[in-house]
Amino acid sequence: DAGVIQSPRHEVTEMGQEVTLRCKPISGHNSLFWYRQTMMRGLELLIYFNNNVPIDDSGMPEDRFSAKMPNASFSTLKIQPSEPRDSAVYFCASSLERQVEQFFGPGTRLTVL
Amino acid sequence: AQTVTQSQPEMSVQEAETVTLSCTYDTSESDYYLFWYKQPPSRQMILVIRQEAYKQQNATENRFSVNFQKAAKSFSLKISDSQLGDAAMYFCAYRKGGRGNTPLVFGKGTRLSVIA
Repeated sequence: DAGVIQSPRHEVTEMGQEVTLRCKPISGHNSLFWYRQTMMRGLELLIYFNNNVPIDDSGMPEDRFSAKMPNASFSTLKIQPSEPRDSAVYFCASSLERQVEQFFGPGTRLTVL
Repeated sequence: AQTVTQSQPEMSVQEAETVTLSCTYDTSESDYYLFWYKQPPSRQMILVIRQEAYKQQNATENRFSVNFQKAAKSFSLKISDSQLGDAAMYFCAYRKGGRGNTPLVFGKGTRLSVIA
């Protein structure tokens, strides 16, 4: 049974470029979370969806960040334009509504030069 | 807002010994969950153990156990018979309970080294 799938696993880009991170949640899960991990701030929530609807995006740093969940099996996190301070590991996690545990993907390591 | 504090940035333990990682949290909620996640160098987030706030009994999973002190808002992780594979970052996390799903709030983590 496949877990949460994230792509790409690594992304290196130059400042100013658009970056799109992708996530496929576990089949049947109806909640999806995007977290970011940095040395300075640790792990923090960016945005989460329940039943494809964004519930809380207060963690999104600024307008350069946007996230979508067009259907139950796919979500994207876009950064446009990217900046060096966006360099981090971005995790996607999913769960069922009444499930205690969240299941994490392997993360995407983003480096913005 | 809920906060999670891990006061030990780094810890070390001899192989086969016992180590305890500390975690405190702050919340005004009565329904919540607490977790310990392990992050090895592969960066995969692995759930080690979880505790429901309404349960008085401390959770255990093989060599891992917690000391949940609800009144003190403390949630420490004890690793017994430490193994080299236990070396990793450990994150304490909190999640509000209730209807629907809610995000995790993480502490800053404790890096555990295991000495052979």
